[in-house]
Amino acid sequence: AQSVTQLDSQVPVFEEAPVELRCNYSSSVSVYLFWYVQYPNQGLQLLLKYLSGSTLVKGINGFEAEFNKSQTSFHLRKPSVHISDTAEYFCAVLHFSGAGSYQLTFGKGTKLSVIP
Amino acid sequence: DGGITQSPKYLFRKEGQNVTLSCEQNLNHDAMYWYRQDPGQGLRLIYYSQIVNDFQKGDIAEGYSVSREKKESFPLTVTSAQKNPTAFYLCASSIEAGTHEQYFGPGTRLTVT
Repeated sequence: AQSVTQLDSQVPVFEEAPVELRCNYSSSVSVYLFWYVQYPNQGLQLLLKYLSGSTLVKGINGFEAEFNKSQTSFHLRKPSVHISDTAEYFCAVLHFSGAGSYQLTFGKGTKLSVIP
Repeated sequence: DGGITQSPKYLFRKEGQNVTLSCEQNLNHDAMYWYRQDPGQGLRLIYYSQIVNDFQKGDIAEGYSVSREKKESFPLTVTSAQKNPTAFYLCASSIEAGTHEQYFGPGTRLTVT
Protein backbone atom coordinates (compact mmCIF):
# COMPACT_ATOMS: atom_id res chain seq x y z
CA ALA A 1 0.00 0.00 0.00
CA GLN A 2 1.07 3.51 -0.71
CA SER A 3 1.84 5.88 2.12
CA VAL A 4 2.60 9.56 2.31
CA THR A 5 4.44 11.07 5.26
CA GLN A 6 4.38 14.74 6.01
CA LEU A 7 7.14 15.13 8.52
CA ASP A 8 5.85 18.22 10.30
CA SER A 9 2.29 18.61 11.55
CA GLN A 10 2.77 22.32 12.26
CA VAL A 11 5.23 24.86 10.90
CA PRO A 12 5.34 28.42 12.27
CA VAL A 13 7.32 30.93 10.21
CA PHE A 14 7.74 34.69 10.23
CA GLU A 15 6.33 36.74 7.39
CA GLU A 16 8.75 37.17 4.45
CA ALA A 17 10.88 34.26 5.65
CA PRO A 18 11.40 31.15 3.49
CA VAL A 19 9.57 27.92 4.23
CA GLU A 20 9.90 24.25 3.34
CA LEU A 21 7.15 21.70 3.97
CA ARG A 22 8.45 18.16 3.77
CA CYS A 23 6.80 15.17 2.13
CA ASN A 24 8.05 11.62 1.64
CA TYR A 25 6.22 8.79 -0.05
CA SER A 26 6.62 5.05 -0.33
CA SER A 27 6.49 3.56 -3.79
CA SER A 28 8.40 1.14 -5.94
CA VAL A 29 6.76 2.32 -9.15
CA SER A 30 6.25 5.60 -10.92
CA VAL A 31 3.83 7.91 -9.21
CA TYR A 32 2.26 11.26 -9.75
CA LEU A 33 2.67 13.77 -6.93
CA PHE A 34 0.57 16.71 -5.81
CA TRP A 35 0.42 19.48 -3.25
CA TYR A 36 -2.97 20.86 -2.24
CA VAL A 37 -3.80 23.79 0.05
CA GLN A 38 -6.83 24.06 2.32
CA TYR A 39 -8.03 27.25 3.96
CA PRO A 40 -10.23 26.90 7.07
CA ASN A 41 -13.59 25.26 6.43
CA GLN A 42 -13.01 25.09 2.70
CA GLY A 43 -12.23 22.46 0.11
CA LEU A 44 -8.79 21.71 -1.31
CA GLN A 45 -7.13 23.70 -4.06
CA LEU A 46 -4.33 22.32 -6.22
CA LEU A 47 -1.01 24.14 -5.74
CA LEU A 48 1.14 22.13 -8.11
CA LYS A 49 1.71 18.67 -9.52
CA TYR A 50 4.54 16.49 -10.79
CA LEU A 51 3.71 14.09 -13.59
CA SER A 52 7.01 13.74 -15.48
CA GLY A 53 9.83 15.83 -16.91
CA SER A 54 11.60 18.52 -14.94
CA THR A 55 11.95 17.65 -11.28
CA LEU A 56 11.40 21.26 -10.23
CA VAL A 57 7.74 22.12 -10.46
CA LYS A 58 6.33 25.63 -10.10
CA GLY A 59 2.82 26.23 -8.85
CA ILE A 60 0.46 28.99 -7.90
CA ASN A 61 1.07 31.66 -5.25
CA GLY A 62 4.87 31.46 -5.67
CA PHE A 63 5.21 27.88 -4.43
CA GLU A 64 7.50 25.30 -5.98
CA ALA A 65 8.39 21.69 -5.24
CA GLU A 66 11.23 19.39 -6.15
CA PHE A 67 10.77 15.73 -6.96
CA ASN A 68 13.64 13.58 -5.71
CA LYS A 69 13.22 9.99 -6.85
CA SER A 70 16.20 8.57 -4.96
CA GLN A 71 14.96 10.03 -1.68
CA THR A 72 11.27 9.51 -2.54
CA SER A 73 10.57 13.08 -1.54
CA PHE A 74 8.52 15.95 -2.87
CA HIS A 75 9.18 18.93 -0.60
CA LEU A 76 7.25 22.18 -1.04
CA ARG A 77 9.07 25.51 -0.81
CA LYS A 78 8.39 29.22 -0.94
CA PRO A 79 11.18 31.81 -0.72
CA SER A 80 9.12 34.45 1.08
CA VAL A 81 5.79 33.73 2.79
CA HIS A 82 2.87 36.06 3.26
CA ILE A 83 0.19 36.16 5.95
CA SER A 84 -2.29 34.86 3.38
CA ASP A 85 -0.27 31.62 3.08
CA THR A 86 -1.53 30.55 6.51
CA ALA A 87 -3.40 27.32 5.73
CA GLU A 88 -3.06 23.56 5.84
CA TYR A 89 -1.05 21.88 3.11
CA PHE A 90 -1.50 18.31 1.92
CA CYS A 91 0.88 16.18 -0.09
CA ALA A 92 -0.73 13.42 -2.17
CA VAL A 93 0.33 10.52 -4.38
CA LEU A 94 -1.75 9.15 -7.26
CA HIS A 95 -1.14 5.47 -7.82
CA PHE A 96 -2.64 2.57 -9.65
CA SER A 97 -4.75 0.52 -7.22
CA GLY A 98 -5.66 -2.40 -9.49
CA ALA A 99 -8.54 -3.34 -11.82
CA GLY A 100 -8.21 -0.15 -13.80
CA SER A 101 -8.55 2.05 -10.75
CA TYR A 102 -6.41 4.87 -9.49
CA GLN A 103 -6.34 6.21 -5.96
CA LEU A 104 -5.11 9.44 -4.46
CA THR A 105 -3.43 8.87 -1.08
CA PHE A 106 -3.00 11.92 1.14
CA GLY A 107 -0.56 12.78 3.88
CA LYS A 108 -1.95 13.95 7.20
CA GLY A 109 -1.29 17.58 6.45
CA THR A 110 1.01 20.37 7.63
CA LYS A 111 -0.45 23.51 9.18
CA LEU A 112 1.54 26.53 8.13
CA SER A 113 1.19 29.54 10.42
CA VAL A 114 2.71 32.78 9.20
CA ILE A 115 3.59 35.15 12.03
CA PRO A 116 3.45 38.90 11.35
CA ASP B 1 -19.20 29.12 -13.43
CA GLY B 2 -18.09 25.50 -13.52
CA GLY B 3 -17.45 23.73 -10.29
CA ILE B 4 -18.55 21.38 -7.56
CA THR B 5 -21.25 22.26 -5.08
CA GLN B 6 -21.90 20.54 -1.79
CA SER B 7 -24.89 21.21 0.35
CA PRO B 8 -25.52 22.00 3.06
CA LYS B 9 -22.36 23.58 4.47
CA TYR B 10 -23.25 22.46 8.01
CA LEU B 11 -25.48 19.56 8.94
CA PHE B 12 -26.65 18.39 12.34
CA ARG B 13 -28.31 15.04 13.05
CA LYS B 14 -29.27 12.89 15.97
CA GLU B 15 -27.55 9.57 16.48
CA GLY B 16 -29.35 6.71 14.77
CA GLN B 17 -30.60 8.75 11.81
CA ASN B 18 -29.41 8.30 8.26
CA VAL B 19 -28.33 11.48 6.49
CA THR B 20 -27.59 12.21 2.83
CA LEU B 21 -24.94 14.69 1.69
CA SER B 22 -25.32 16.25 -1.71
CA CYS B 23 -22.57 16.64 -4.34
CA GLU B 24 -23.19 18.13 -7.78
CA GLN B 25 -20.70 19.01 -10.50
CA ASN B 26 -21.12 20.82 -13.82
CA LEU B 27 -17.61 20.12 -15.08
CA ASN B 28 -18.74 17.18 -17.22
CA HIS B 29 -16.32 14.96 -15.29
CA ASP B 30 -16.72 11.20 -15.44
CA ALA B 31 -15.14 10.35 -12.07
CA MET B 32 -16.35 11.47 -8.64
CA TYR B 33 -15.07 10.80 -5.14
CA TRP B 34 -16.05 11.14 -1.49
CA TYR B 35 -13.46 11.76 1.22
CA ARG B 36 -13.72 12.08 4.95
CA GLN B 37 -11.44 14.48 6.81
CA ASP B 38 -10.74 14.30 10.55
CA PRO B 39 -8.33 16.60 12.40
CA GLY B 40 -4.75 15.42 12.02
CA GLN B 41 -5.79 12.50 9.79
CA GLY B 42 -5.63 13.93 6.30
CA LEU B 43 -8.23 12.78 3.79
CA ARG B 44 -9.46 9.21 3.56
CA LEU B 45 -11.34 7.82 0.55
CA ILE B 46 -14.87 6.55 1.25
CA TYR B 47 -16.26 5.73 -2.21
CA TYR B 48 -15.50 6.62 -5.80
CA SER B 49 -17.28 6.31 -9.12
CA GLN B 50 -15.60 6.15 -12.50
CA ILE B 51 -18.78 6.28 -14.58
CA VAL B 52 -22.53 6.52 -14.16
CA ASN B 53 -24.17 3.54 -12.46
CA ASP B 54 -20.83 2.24 -11.19
CA PHE B 55 -18.98 2.84 -7.93
CA GLN B 56 -16.31 1.20 -5.80
CA LYS B 57 -15.50 1.15 -2.11
CA GLY B 58 -12.56 3.14 -0.88
CA ASP B 59 -10.54 2.63 2.28
CA ILE B 60 -13.32 3.40 4.80
CA ALA B 61 -16.64 2.49 3.14
CA GLU B 62 -18.26 0.78 6.14
CA GLY B 63 -21.36 2.62 7.29
CA TYR B 64 -21.67 4.65 4.09
CA SER B 65 -23.56 4.20 0.82
CA VAL B 66 -23.59 6.05 -2.50
CA SER B 67 -25.43 6.15 -5.80
CA ARG B 68 -24.46 7.46 -9.23
CA GLU B 69 -27.63 7.67 -11.28
CA LYS B 70 -26.58 10.84 -13.09
CA LYS B 71 -23.18 11.98 -14.30
CA GLU B 72 -23.37 15.25 -12.39
CA SER B 73 -24.54 13.89 -9.05
CA PHE B 74 -22.91 11.60 -6.46
CA PRO B 75 -24.81 11.71 -3.14
CA LEU B 76 -23.37 10.10 -0.02
CA THR B 77 -25.57 8.58 2.68
CA VAL B 78 -24.13 8.28 6.16
CA THR B 79 -26.04 5.45 7.78
CA SER B 80 -26.68 4.74 11.43
CA ALA B 81 -24.13 1.91 11.12
CA GLN B 82 -21.29 4.42 10.85
CA LYS B 83 -19.87 4.45 14.38
CA ASN B 84 -18.24 7.85 14.32
CA PRO B 85 -19.92 9.96 11.65
CA THR B 86 -19.00 13.44 12.88
CA ALA B 87 -16.45 14.76 10.36
CA PHE B 88 -15.82 17.08 7.43
CA TYR B 89 -16.86 15.46 4.14
CA LEU B 90 -15.33 16.47 0.83
CA CYS B 91 -16.53 15.59 -2.64
CA ALA B 92 -14.20 15.71 -5.64
CA SER B 93 -14.28 14.99 -9.35
CA SER B 94 -11.83 14.42 -12.17
CA ILE B 95 -12.13 14.25 -15.94
CA GLU B 96 -11.73 10.51 -15.72
CA ALA B 97 -10.37 8.09 -13.18
CA GLY B 98 -6.63 7.95 -13.50
CA THR B 99 -6.25 11.46 -14.85
CA HIS B 100 -4.25 13.53 -12.64
CA GLU B 101 -6.11 16.36 -11.07
CA GLN B 102 -9.07 16.15 -8.73
CA TYR B 103 -11.23 19.19 -8.16
CA PHE B 104 -12.76 19.58 -4.72
CA GLY B 105 -16.03 20.97 -3.46
CA PRO B 106 -16.26 23.27 -0.41
CA GLY B 107 -17.19 20.43 1.95
CA THR B 108 -19.99 19.61 4.38
CA ARG B 109 -19.38 19.52 8.12
CA LEU B 110 -21.58 16.86 9.68
CA THR B 111 -22.17 16.79 13.41
CA VAL B 112 -24.02 13.87 14.96
CA THR B 113 -25.06 14.05 18.61
